[in-house]
Amino acid sequence: EAGVTQSPTHLIKTRGQQATLRCSPISGHTSVYWYQQALGLGLQFLLWYDEGEERNRGNFPPRFSGRQFPNYSSELNVNALELEDSALYLCASSLRGLRAFFGQGTRLTVV
Amino acid sequence: QQQVKQSPQSLIVQKGGISIINCAYENTAFDYFPWYQQFPGKGPALLIAIRPDVSEKKEGRFTISFNKSAKQFSLHIMDSQPGDSATYFCAATPSGNTPLVFGKGTRLSVIA
Repeated sequence: EAGVTQSPTHLIKTRGQQATLRCSPISGHTSVYWYQQALGLGLQFLLWYDEGEERNRGNFPPRFSGRQFPNYSSELNVNALELEDSALYLCASSLRGLRAFFGQGTRLTVV
Repeated sequence: QQQVKQSPQSLIVQKGGISIINCAYENTAFDYFPWYQQFPGKGPALLIAIRPDVSEKKEGRFTISFNKSAKQFSLHIMDSQPGDSATYFCAATPSGNTPLVFGKGTRLSVIA
């Protein structure tokens, strides 16, 4: 069974540009969670999607947004990139909340 | 957002020794407490998890101890090996479909 897959693995963008990160959950999982892991700051919750709806968002500005598609895959969009957005972005999926499994992450570098 | 406080920030243990990482929480609604292991350049991997109806759960060399009254839980790694060197995160969430709240992580180094 395939795990959570994220693409791209690495992404380099210029300040002010937009970034789009993608996540495919484990088959059968309906919830997708996005986390930001900046150096030394642990995992900060960004967004939670379940059954196609945004259920909750963390303490991040509106330029962080996303969506979940009918096949439960998800994308995270970050607009007007800032240098401090450079981080590892992790996607996790679960079925009914427990046993969340993470992907390998997308390393976003803003220059 | 409710916090989970994790300590120590870093830990050095001799091969064969016991590694102990502690976490404390405030939200009494938390009902599920997993631990994740993360190697450099990889996503966190679910290691072991516990519900508050038991005080201890063991899987191989990994044991979670849970103290509901103190609102604390800890991870014990017995017979620590160099391959256990990684960053460990505790987490918590209320039952149901809600996001995990993570501790800030402990970087474990097991030296020979």
